Amino acid sequence: ELKVEQNPLFLSMQEGKNYTIYCNYSTTSDRLYWYRQDPGKSLESLFVLLSNGAVKQEGRLMASLDTKARLSTLHITAAVHDLSATYFCAVDMKSNYQLIWGAGTKLIIKP
Amino acid sequence: NAGVTQTPKFQVLKTGQSMTLQCAQDMNHNSMYWYRQDPGMGLRLIYYSASEGTTDKGEVPNGYNVSRLNKREFSLRLESAAPSQTSVYFCASMQDRRTVTEAFFGQGTRLTVV
Repeated sequence: ELKVEQNPLFLSMQEGKNYTIYCNYSTTSDRLYWYRQDPGKSLESLFVLLSNGAVKQEGRLMASLDTKARLSTLHITAAVHDLSATYFCAVDMKSNYQLIWGAGTKLIIKP
Repeated sequence: NAGVTQTPKFQVLKTGQSMTLQCAQDMNHNSMYWYRQDPGMGLRLIYYSASEGTTDKGEVPNGYNVSRLNKREFSLRLESAAPSQTSVYFCASMQDRRTVTEAFFGQGTRLTVV
């Protein structure tokens, strides 16, 4: 059974600081997604990571994937208040069409 | 672009009542999904439809039924609602696994069962 663990589950940080969210998964997968969710809203896709060593960047967010370590990271550089949200990783099950989701990391960035 | 549209957005049911959540997508996607989101648990898959005419159980299917009415529409039915089904429900669609695309989500249905 594929399990996906995110840590931390809650993160409060100051504007201008850097931090990393970790996503570990338990079995082989070749596709990993990062999503953002604002309170009371839907989920918005941030990144799709397809292969070992993949790195994608959008603004102050950078995501990477290490399939050998079964680990993805979402790095936040010089955080700003607008990045406050809950971030989810989801791992694709190769055997079917299912995505298995982490519990989410609630990020609060204080001015 | 409408994307994925869910109705209703909010619903309160009494225990034992039934209801159907509607979902429609206008992106010509093959795959559609129903998730529930509970605090601290991420999203859990209830049912999915890999293509028109097929449906399969996900992680938490008990108490739910689905219908893939056509390529655009995928509905979720609660036959006899229970308080444990209080949750936020999201419908999502995706082209299919062979293509490199993400899943697109509806705005969610906040369901309370009293």
